[in-house]
Amino acid sequence: NAGVTQTPKFQVLKTGQSMTLQCAQDMNHNSMYWYRQDPGMGLRLIYYSASEGTTDKGEVPNGYNVSRLNKREFSLRLESAAPSQTSVYFCASNRPGRINEKLFFGSGTQLSVL
Amino acid sequence: GQSLEQPSEVTAVEGAIVQMNCTYQTSGFYGLSWYQQHDGGAPTFLSYNALDGLEETGRFSSFLSRSDSYGYLLLQELQMKDSASYFCAVRDQGGATNKLIFGTGTLLAVQP
Repeated sequence: NAGVTQTPKFQVLKTGQSMTLQCAQDMNHNSMYWYRQDPGMGLRLIYYSASEGTTDKGEVPNGYNVSRLNKREFSLRLESAAPSQTSVYFCASNRPGRINEKLFFGSGTQLSVL
Repeated sequence: GQSLEQPSEVTAVEGAIVQMNCTYQTSGFYGLSWYQQHDGGAPTFLSYNALDGLEETGRFSSFLSRSDSYGYLLLQELQMKDSASYFCAVRDQGGATNKLIFGTGTLLAVQP
């Protein structure tokens, strides 16, 4: 039982390049989330998926797209990376069918955009 | 919308007790969560309060007052390994969406 797995762990991009961050969970969770974390800013929600086939914008969605490929996988895409997207990205998931506050986080992706 | 306020830093000595506060503003309230994050690591869930009062789990306790829109996390018998950032979080309005909004966190430094 690996929990929430994110890849890659580190990535350096040049401005304008694109990339996709991958996330998979093996806990049969319905809901999945993408957060970014910047120094002094806490965790800010980018996009979330309440269930397979649905996605919704969070607090800071601009410059990102997401795909809920199936129940296990939720990817985050940067189409044209900008230096302002330099951050640590966390994927998270939680249990289905309950009002439950416990999020399970992946280990994060440290992204630098030059 | 929602907003949460936390002090940015707290310093305490090993063996002591420390309280970290969180005040929030929400248009609908379902409960207050707390997460711990060590430097370079991922956030991990600590506790959740849906009702007023104190919830205790070992050395950690979390308190909620819904009338005051206020909560705190209490750590007793501090250990060096407790040095970390602590975030409070509330669920966004909309109930079933179950998405969490986080505060900016309190950095706890435990000194010997």
